[in-house]
Amino acid sequence: DIQMTQSPSTLSASVGDRVTITCRASQSISSWLAWYQQKPGKAPKLLIYKASTLESGVPSRFSGSGSGTQFTLTISSLQPDDYATYYCQQYTSYWTFGQGTKVEIK
Amino acid sequence: EVQLVESGGGLVQPGRSLRVSCAASGFKFDDYGMHWVRQAPGKGLEWLSGMSWNRGTIGYADSVKGRFTISRDDAKNSLYLQMNSLRPEDTALYYCVKDRVAGTFGVFDSWGQGTMVTVSS
Repeated sequence: DIQMTQSPSTLSASVGDRVTITCRASQSISSWLAWYQQKPGKAPKLLIYKASTLESGVPSRFSGSGSGTQFTLTISSLQPDDYATYYCQQYTSYWTFGQGTKVEIK
Repeated sequence: EVQLVESGGGLVQPGRSLRVSCAASGFKFDDYGMHWVRQAPGKGLEWLSGMSWNRGTIGYADSVKGRFTISRDDAKNSLYLQMNSLRPEDTALYYCVKDRVAGTFGVFDSWGQGTMVTVSS
């Protein structure tokens, strides 16, 4: 089974900050990686797929990069609406989520 | 507009069975792979099971393999998860999830609001 590990688990940041979340796969997944955002009490929302492709309607301040085993999600300028938990997910061998990264207000 | 509405959750005793359902609308159901994902209270997301649009691929997480069975009724635009031998650790919010692209089995783009399953005596 492919394991996904995110870091950090929690991140404190201010509005306007550049935020980076890292996701590591236990084996190569090429670019078969997605990122989701989840707010409290809500279902997750797809942000990015195939490591770097922005889903329609997602603000351009979100970007993704990486391939193989190392991936990053970057928010170029954190906005109040971005405080949430973010999950990476591999979809090359069934599906596995990372444990999540909570972005908190600093 | 895509809508996924889960139902069938509730309180069930350990060892018993429960079937949760998902009613889909707003898209051509039989063209899309579908999945179940759960989230225990205060915890992360766990993929449980998925079925491709043509039923050619069915997969289960190790944690539920042999206990849970996924099925779909394309005539009713519905997805099901039959859960047997339930354990307290199966307590979670169960989401019905749709694949992003017809004819593929990959990224999830639409989620229901979930149905809560509580396993307790």
